Amino acid sequence: EVQLVESGGGLVQPGSSLKLSCVASGFTFSNYGMNWIRQAPKKGLEWIALIYYDSSNKYYADSVKGRFTISRDNSKNTLYLEMNSLRSEDTAMYYCAKLGGGTTGMDAWGQGASVTVSS
Amino acid sequence: DVVLTQTPVSLSVTLGDQASISCRSSQSLEYSDGYTYLEWYLQKPGQSPQLLIYGVSNRFSGVPDRFIGSGSGTDFTLKISRVEPEDLGVYYCFQATHDPLTFGSGTKLEIK
Repeated sequence: EVQLVESGGGLVQPGSSLKLSCVASGFTFSNYGMNWIRQAPKKGLEWIALIYYDSSNKYYADSVKGRFTISRDNSKNTLYLEMNSLRSEDTAMYYCAKLGGGTTGMDAWGQGASVTVSS
Repeated sequence: DVVLTQTPVSLSVTLGDQASISCRSSQSLEYSDGYTYLEWYLQKPGQSPQLLIYGVSNRFSGVPDRFIGSGSGTDFTLKISRVEPEDLGVYYCFQATHDPLTFGSGTKLEIK
């Protein structure tokens, strides 16, 4: 069974940093691209970052470009999101999502990690 | 950036009836390889989103054939025939053709 488990969320002050992790199991992690998607309270989904299976390409939403970094460690089956210069508008539930093979879309999602940026 | 406009914002449907959701893109979603990276996701109350449809009209594994995706270019539709109680939630279209990738703003399906 495919499982994605996010961790590392919490309450932080504006301007601080936080690093989220997403541990994958039940599939060959190193074969699949991965995404981070977030959802602010009572709001819709916002895609924020994508990394290829081999880290060869990374893409970001404009709202996080230059502040957030997506990375992965295939030896640890783990996806990361390093978040710097956090702002109140970064407050959200953060989901990691696995890309399916080929053109299948995001076929598995984690349960989410909550990040609150507040003084 | 590509803007996906979903209508309606909310939809109240009687069990057994059909529901239809529109997703219009500000740019064509056909990629240079000829594929259209338009997907539909459902977020049920209190749950993470789940994939329903990819490539405009391909149902993901386990998705009932009551869910039908269609469209091309800039206009796309998700139809749910014979709505059932477990279909309630918020439906999102999503495009992966253009960077940055973007979601529609969502359509909330309620059961009358």
